[in-house]
Amino acid sequence: NAGVMQNPRHLVRRRGQEARLRCSPVKGHSHVYWYRQLPEEGLKFMVYLQKENIIDESGMPKERFSAEFPKEGPSILRIQQVVRGDSAAYFCASSQPGASTEAFFGQGTRLTVV
Amino acid sequence: DAKTTQPPSMDCAEGRAANLPCNHSTISGNEYVYWYRQIHSQGPQYIIHGLKNNETNEMASLIITEDRKSSTLILPHATLRDTAVYYCIVRVNYGGSQGNLIFGKGTKLSVKP
Repeated sequence: NAGVMQNPRHLVRRRGQEARLRCSPVKGHSHVYWYRQLPEEGLKFMVYLQKENIIDESGMPKERFSAEFPKEGPSILRIQQVVRGDSAAYFCASSQPGASTEAFFGQGTRLTVV
Repeated sequence: DAKTTQPPSMDCAEGRAANLPCNHSTISGNEYVYWYRQIHSQGPQYIIHGLKNNETNEMASLIITEDRKSSTLILPHATLRDTAVYYCIVRVNYGGSQGNLIFGKGTKLSVKP
């Protein structure tokens, strides 16, 4: 009964490189959410996806950030041309459809930009 | 922005009940109240959720006032491992389907021996 799996757990990138963060939801879950947490701060919502659709991306920076959740495979959060300010913990959560279903979180990916 | 207000911190003695309050005066009729906690820098852990009735599970109890403008999470016998930041969240509702969870600053609960 695997939970939400995120990989890698730790990722180091140089400024200007690309970062790809992967999230495999709980089996049977068709909804995925991405959050960012800066050091000593709370979780900030980034994007909410269903399979092949973006439902709410109101928290996504307008440039360099993109997310997808294809029909097959994990959800991907992609950050292009990373800067030091992108250093943070990125958490993914998944849930089943329905008006009252809990969302379960992964253990996060810690991105460090050097 | 989060639709909830929580005290920034609370202390609780080990073995005693921890009662964490939350105000959500602008909650809509079909929005649920969810509670999560985050221990150190781990991923948030789901605790409990409810609409208008009180709820209980193996981790905690959730008491929602009749007007739904506030709620209380109760950890009946707090242990040192319950030390965490506790988040009360009103879940966005997309016309009957669930939406994203907007986290506020939460309450930092410190359980002391």
